[in-house]
Amino acid sequence: GNSVTQMEGPVTLSEEAFLTINCTYTATGYPSLFWYVQYPGEGLQLLLKATKADDKGSNKGFEATYRKETTSFHLEKGSVQVSDSAVYFCALTSGGSNYKLTFGKGTLLTVNP
Amino acid sequence: NAGVTQTPKFQVLKTGQSMTLQCAQDMNHEYMSWYRQDPGMGLRLIHYSVGAGITDQGEVPNGYNVSRSTTEDFPLRLLSAAPSQTSVYFCASSRQASEYMGYTFGSGTRLTVV
Repeated sequence: GNSVTQMEGPVTLSEEAFLTINCTYTATGYPSLFWYVQYPGEGLQLLLKATKADDKGSNKGFEATYRKETTSFHLEKGSVQVSDSAVYFCALTSGGSNYKLTFGKGTLLTVNP
Repeated sequence: NAGVTQTPKFQVLKTGQSMTLQCAQDMNHEYMSWYRQDPGMGLRLIHYSVGAGITDQGEVPNGYNVSRSTTEDFPLRLLSAAPSQTSVYFCASSRQASEYMGYTFGSGTRLTVV
């Protein structure tokens, strides 16, 4: 079956630090990969996506590259802000089931001024 | 504003009570899903629907029922609430497309069963 493993949190950084949140996956077929973000007290929002190998998804300064050879989709940002404090979820769909997301457990990021 | 609307935002139930969590979307999305979010567990799929009249079970369906009589609405029913169902519930919808665009999530219902 499908599964997503992302780095345990919480992650605490100072403003302007570099961020990496690791994500690896196991899936049948050719999955589509996503990062969702959940700000405090809110629902999840799609942050970025990649639908085939070597694709790079990007949004709001965040990037992630779909690496088929290492089955990874690590989230990166060069300079984090306090407003980036949130929970980040890596997720995938696979096997033709575009309506069934499999999520990682989430990583809490706190950015201090 | 277009989006996914969940009601109520907060609810406290006694063990054994039943209730329905409401979910409505106005984007004419075909796909709708219910997830529960628990600390350290991420989000787990309860039930999903690929269109009106079609529903199926997800990863953790026990204790929950759904129906989809219209494209817009996808209510989640708790038949006999148990403390293990204390969680935050999210409804989500997505358009059927050749390239998957991702889900739009509601703001959640925080349910406590005592």
